[in-house]
Amino acid sequence: GAVVSQHPSRVICKSGTSVKIECRSLDFQATTMFWYRQFPKQSLMLMATSNEGSKATYEQGVEKDKFLINHASLTLSTLTVTSAHPEDSSFYICSARASTGFGEAFFGQGTRLTVV
Amino acid sequence: RKEVEQDPGPFNVPEGATVAFNCTYSNSASQSFFWYRQDCRKEPKLLMSVYSSGNEDGRFTAQLNRASQYISLLIRDSKLSDSATYLCVVNAPGTGGFKTIFGAGTRLFVKA
Repeated sequence: GAVVSQHPSRVICKSGTSVKIECRSLDFQATTMFWYRQFPKQSLMLMATSNEGSKATYEQGVEKDKFLINHASLTLSTLTVTSAHPEDSSFYICSARASTGFGEAFFGQGTRLTVV
Repeated sequence: RKEVEQDPGPFNVPEGATVAFNCTYSNSASQSFFWYRQDCRKEPKLLMSVYSSGNEDGRFTAQLNRASQYISLLIRDSKLSDSATYLCVVNAPGTGGFKTIFGAGTRLFVKA
């Protein structure tokens, strides 16, 4: 199956700092990438949809100035958590959807963010 | 109403049992449908796509009913290794294109 690489897999940062998470599609072009957040024992919640070359579309309740998304190429999207706080600690997962095929999404390995 | 709703679970079944999961979606313009599997603290993995005519992959059978906006997954002869959370996934229209929406997931425990 298609491969999506997410980096880093784990990060611990101090409160007030910013963290950048990268999501790369390794063997296909992804016109659309998605960013999700998952708190323990909860479901995946879509944060934003990122289309290459355009501004991301954020879901209701997600602060666009706090979660900066850049989708500069067909193989790379980044999520920057700015001025992180302990309540931002969560599991962040990206997925990429190929521009061809049935439309299934392939996931990165996820990033466990801990803000101390 | 949630865009994608699933059985709350958890389902506790013995090995060899048949178990069925149901899912409904709210947007009739949704296009593509999938079942994913997620193991604890791991990323979701595609289990199977769901086609209008229904499809089978070994012990797994998926059905789609567009008129009722309903998707199902049937697992026959359950194995211990089937224990996981099963996610119903829909590509639904959104601002700027289709977005991939996940149901909350149904937890399955298969016991010896």
